Amino acid sequence: QKEVEQNSGPLSVPEGAIASLNCTYSDRVSQSFFWYRQYSGKSPELIMFIYSNGDKEDGRFTAQLNKASQYVSLLIRDSQPSDSATYLCAVNFRSQGNLIFGKGTKLSVKP
Amino acid sequence: GAGVSQSPSNKVTEKGKDVELRCDPISGHTALYWYRQRLGQGLEFLIYFQGNSAPDKSGLPSDRFSAERTGESVSTLTIQRTQQEDSAVYLCASSLDTGAYGYTFGSGTRLTVV
Repeated sequence: QKEVEQNSGPLSVPEGAIASLNCTYSDRVSQSFFWYRQYSGKSPELIMFIYSNGDKEDGRFTAQLNKASQYVSLLIRDSQPSDSATYLCAVNFRSQGNLIFGKGTKLSVKP
Repeated sequence: GAGVSQSPSNKVTEKGKDVELRCDPISGHTALYWYRQRLGQGLEFLIYFQGNSAPDKSGLPSDRFSAERTGESVSTLTIQRTQQEDSAVYLCASSLDTGAYGYTFGSGTRLTVV
């Protein structure tokens, strides 16, 4: 059974701080990794994807992937109250066409 | 179209009735996915269509659930003899190819079974 695990939170950080969101997955043979943001009552929105080991930066967001440790993370720098949402980690396992999602981490950024 | 379109946006039905949920993917997207999200829970995979291949139905929770897709266009998810535990948001997504490229979600259909 292929699984994606996330700490459900809530993770609370003050405005301007770095928020660190973590995700582990069960299968070493995984192709691609995604972070989705879901505001309350809305559908998930893709914010980052990463395929190779290392860091990938996009604005205030950095995705980090370590395939040996089966670990992917999302860092949000200079966190804003508008970043308050649930962040979903998703993995495309090589043998499957669909994404497997973690249950999400709820982030709260306090002004 | 510009995005993934789902209809209806909200559906209230009586227990035991059948419901049909519709998804219109982004034009040119060959892959289409259905997920279910119960209140406060994560996304539960239901079914996946890729081009003309046989669909991956491994996530369908019971034989009351079925889905069809016409070519690479509209898909319909049907739930027969609805139960209260079917109450959830049903999300459709589409992608250019397989999930390896990530996908775009529609705004969902909120189903309430009373």
